[in-house]
Amino acid sequence: DAGVTQSPTHLIKTRGQQVTLRCSPKSGHDTVSWYQQALGQGPQFIFQYYEEEERQRGNFPDRFSGHQFPNYSSELNVNALLLGDSALYLCASSLNQGNIPGELFFGEGSRLTVL
Amino acid sequence: AQSVTQLDSHVSVSEGTPVLLRCNYSSSYSPSLFWYVQHPNKGLQLLLKYTSAATLVKGINGFEAEFKKSETSFHLTKPSAHMSDAAEYFCVVSEGRGSTLGRLYFGRGTQLTVWP
Repeated sequence: DAGVTQSPTHLIKTRGQQVTLRCSPKSGHDTVSWYQQALGQGPQFIFQYYEEEERQRGNFPDRFSGHQFPNYSSELNVNALLLGDSALYLCASSLNQGNIPGELFFGEGSRLTVL
Repeated sequence: AQSVTQLDSHVSVSEGTPVLLRCNYSSSYSPSLFWYVQHPNKGLQLLLKYTSAATLVKGINGFEAEFKKSETSFHLTKPSAHMSDAAEYFCVVSEGRGSTLGRLYFGRGTQLTVWP
């Protein structure tokens, strides 16, 4: 059973460019969350997708956008890249179980470097 | 608002000695609390979680944590450290259930070093 897979694992961009990161959730999971982890910091919540809609959003600008596909996979897009966007981007999947707290499974992340 | 404070950025112990990683939380609601571990170049792995059942929670690899509401603490312990425990540990709070589940608030992390 494959866990959460993310691609690419590493990438380098320059300021002003755009980037797309991809995530396939763990088999059977229907909810995908994205987190940004800057060097030396804990991950910060970007947004969460469920039923192909953004369900929650953290304190990130509109340059950060996402999408969820019918097969539950997801993309994170960042436009007009800034140096400060350099970070490890983590995808986490879970199964929506109503009021029962479920476990989030994390991928190994996509490390973005902006020059 | 939810937040987590990890009281130590670095903890060093000798192999075979006890481990204590400290965490205090702030939550407006009845919180769910978690500890995650992150090994270098690996994804985050759930160690244990508290969700309003027993206050002493046992996790994987011999770790456990105790929820103390009066102290707003959720410290992580292990009786005997192993070299393989060396990693970054994150204390995490989630405020909600249902539609808000999945929004986790992470602490800044505690780097655990284990000396032979």
